[in-house]
Amino acid sequence: NAGVTQTPKFRILKIGQSMTLQCTQDMNHNYMYWYRQDPGMGLKLIYYSVGAGITDKGEVPNGYNVSRSTTEDFPLRLELAAPSQTSVYFCASTHFWGGPSHEQYFGPGTRLTVT
Amino acid sequence: TQLLEQSPQFLSIQEGENLTVYCNSSSVFSSLQWYRQEPGEGPVLLVTVVTGGEVKKLKRLTFQFGDARKDSSLHITAAQPGDTGLYLCAFEEGSGNTGKLIFGQGTTLQVKP
Repeated sequence: NAGVTQTPKFRILKIGQSMTLQCTQDMNHNYMYWYRQDPGMGLKLIYYSVGAGITDKGEVPNGYNVSRSTTEDFPLRLELAAPSQTSVYFCASTHFWGGPSHEQYFGPGTRLTVT
Repeated sequence: TQLLEQSPQFLSIQEGENLTVYCNSSSVFSSLQWYRQEPGEGPVLLVTVVTGGEVKKLKRLTFQFGDARKDSSLHITAAQPGDTGLYLCAFEEGSGNTGKLIFGQGTTLQVKP
């Protein structure tokens, strides 16, 4: 199992450009998440999905969009990139079974710079 | 408002020293997770604590969940350079069965040889 894979690893965008960050998991997890992490900080939730065709906003959704057409893939779309979106982006997944806690498995991250 | 406060934010110690990092809140949690993140990688789960007063050990790492389930600590004995990284505590937001994690801001640990 590759786990959670993300592409690209690094990207530099100009202000106003758009891009899609790819995320794929091969663990058949039902729930998937996108976080951003600013330097020296914890992670903040952007969007999440509880299954194919179902997505919802997290804490910091502005400037982003997601879709989930399959169980495996959860791409994150940035429209009209802004310097405030410079960050490291992490995709994660979990098998949600309704218990007290669920381990999330993270990808290696995409480092994005907007200039 | 930071729901989870981690302290200290930064810690730089010599190999062989002991250390404790803290994760505090005014809220009660059903469980708390600890993750470690190495530079250039995603976080990896170390442990989940569920019961108030629970103590879990992972080699030289000891995790404790407060009796009132509002706080947790991570103690590392005889730190090694391989322990260097960002330590994050997180709780699962309880409403709506979403599995959403709320993270503290993290403790950056540097262990010098």
